[in-house]
Amino acid sequence: ELKVEQNPLFLSMQEGKNYTIYCNYSTTSDRLYWYRQDPGKSLESLFVLLSNGAVKQEGRLMASLDTKARLSTLHITAAVHDLSATYFCAVSPAGGTSYGKLTFGQGTILTVHP
Amino acid sequence: DTAVSQTPKYLVTQMGNDKSIKCEQNLGHDTMYWYKQDSKKFLKIMFSYNNKELIINETVPNRFSPKSPDKAHLNLHINSLELGDSAVYFCASSHRTGWTATNEKLFFGSGTQLSVL
Repeated sequence: ELKVEQNPLFLSMQEGKNYTIYCNYSTTSDRLYWYRQDPGKSLESLFVLLSNGAVKQEGRLMASLDTKARLSTLHITAAVHDLSATYFCAVSPAGGTSYGKLTFGQGTILTVHP
Repeated sequence: DTAVSQTPKYLVTQMGNDKSIKCEQNLGHDTMYWYKQDSKKFLKIMFSYNNKELIINETVPNRFSPKSPDKAHLNLHINSLELGDSAVYFCASSHRTGWTATNEKLFFGSGTQLSVL
């Protein structure tokens, strides 16, 4: 059974600081996703990572994937208040037959304060 | 225009009632999903339909019955609601035939918060 674990689950950051959220998964995967969820809102896709060594960046967020270690990281640079949200990683099982059957991590609640 | 829309946004009901949640997508996707997010924020897939055909059916009580009249709609009907059904239910959609495409991903609706009293 595919399992996805994120840490930390709660992250309180000061504006301007850097931090990393980690996502470990238990079995071979086709692809890894990072989603953002604001309170009471839908999930917004941030990144899709496919291959070992993949790195994607958008603004102050950068995601990377190490398929050998079964680890993805979401790095936050110079945090700002607008980044406060819950961040989920999700993994799609290998083989491409379970379309859209994502296994999600528990989510990391990020709070950025002055 | 909202890409994946769900109604209602909030649903408060008594135990034992039957209720439905509707979902529509205008993205031209051929696959739709229902995910459940519990009080601890865990998201788990419940069902998936591709072109009106059920392709994923996780271990969900048979009180839950998805219905897909066409590939743009996937409704969720719940019979005999129980306290433990309280959660946020998210509809999502994607391409299936293009799933191997580099940036294929799920698009989620805004969720339906179900409270069973």
